[in-house]
Amino acid sequence: LAKTTQPISMDSYEGQEVNITCSHNNIATNDYITWYQQFPSQGPRFIIQGYKTKVTNEVASLFIPADRKSSTLSLPRVSLSDTAVYYCLVGSRYNNNDMRFGAGTRLTVKP
Amino acid sequence: DSGVTQTPKHLITATGQRVTLRCSPRSGDLSVYWYQQSLDQGLQFLIHYYNGEERAKGNILERFSAQQFPDLHSELNLSSLELGDSALYFCASIPRGENEQFFGPGTRLTVL
Repeated sequence: LAKTTQPISMDSYEGQEVNITCSHNNIATNDYITWYQQFPSQGPRFIIQGYKTKVTNEVASLFIPADRKSSTLSLPRVSLSDTAVYYCLVGSRYNNNDMRFGAGTRLTVKP
Repeated sequence: DSGVTQTPKHLITATGQRVTLRCSPRSGDLSVYWYQQSLDQGLQFLIHYYNGEERAKGNILERFSAQQFPDLHSELNLSSLELGDSALYFCASIPRGENEQFFGPGTRLTVL
């Protein structure tokens, strides 16, 4: 399973765009990149998943360069309620035996 | 609501005791993953079951064991409990052919 590296923490202010980058140098051909959000004392919640280029949904965008060795989660116009830990996970859809989350990025949104 | 259920929600017990945590995956999901999350720590993968068979082990202690039953629910057994076992325990399930995990609400275990 590809190892991921993320910043430990980030601070932002309400209304700003936040970009969190994840490095995954050993990503395999069949691996997808998935981001999760976790609030205190709750289970992680799926945000977005992508394989290459750009994916956008109602809450975030995911940018993946051509070499796929990194990815960037973009949260537009964050609010205080976006304060959470964000995890990047890399794995195959066809061999998902082993799911290892990294330390995650603790995002704090300030007023 | 993710569709994954976990019981009990809270569990308080003493050192040396044994407890069983239960997880029911989403309807139709064959995979169950167990995770441990200590205070302010990341998620530690413990074990993965698929359709009743163990598929992968992570950082699971020998004092811990798990199984998945024919109805696909899973149990995580923790024995000879120590203070350091106090944590949130999550299970997650994945639809077949996908790798988006749906997490349950967790069981908070407190060992006194």
